[in-house]
Amino acid sequence: EAGVTQSPTHLIKTRGQQATLRCSPISGHTSVYWYQQALGLGLQFLLWYDEGEERNRGNFPPRFSGRQFPNYSSELNVNALELEDSALYLCASSSPGQGSGANVLTFGAGSRLTVL
Amino acid sequence: QKEVEQNSGPLSVPEGAIASLNCTYSDRGSQSFFWYRQYSGKSPELIMFIYSNGDKEDGRFTAQLNKASQYVSLLIRDSQPSDSATYLCAVTGMGMGTDKLIFGTGTRLQVFP
Repeated sequence: EAGVTQSPTHLIKTRGQQATLRCSPISGHTSVYWYQQALGLGLQFLLWYDEGEERNRGNFPPRFSGRQFPNYSSELNVNALELEDSALYLCASSSPGQGSGANVLTFGAGSRLTVL
Repeated sequence: QKEVEQNSGPLSVPEGAIASLNCTYSDRGSQSFFWYRQYSGKSPELIMFIYSNGDKEDGRFTAQLNKASQYVSLLIRDSQPSDSATYLCAVTGMGMGTDKLIFGTGTRLQVFP
């Protein structure tokens, strides 16, 4: 069974540009989560999509956005890039049957975004 | 106050010893608690989760939950150098229908031979 896949692995952009990151969940998983992991700051919750809908978002500005497609894959868009957006962006998926009490997330390998 | 707090470490233990990792959380409504392990340059991987007060054992790992004191811990018995990694505590957040997982910043464990 294929795990959570993310692309690109690395991305280098300059300030003001836009970045698009992509994620394919494990087959059968309908929920996709995005986290930002900046150096020394731990995993910060960005967005949660389930069944094509945004269910929750973290404390990030609106220039961080995303969507989930009918096949449950997802993309994260970051507009007007700033230097502090440089981080590892992790996508995770979970199965619909686990409910609110058991959010077992499986993470992808991440996309490392560098903003120059 | 941070929602999930962990000592950043590093916690250094000799091979074969018990490593004890602790985590406190601020939201009394939290329901599910997770421990993830993250090797340097890799993504987090689930070790175990716990919902009820008390202990839960899985091989060399034991998770302990005390909701009254709002802490959760992870014990690693017979620590091995391969256990050297950052251990992330995660807690389900509070809110209507929210299932987001809030992570601590992690504790770096070093197991030396």
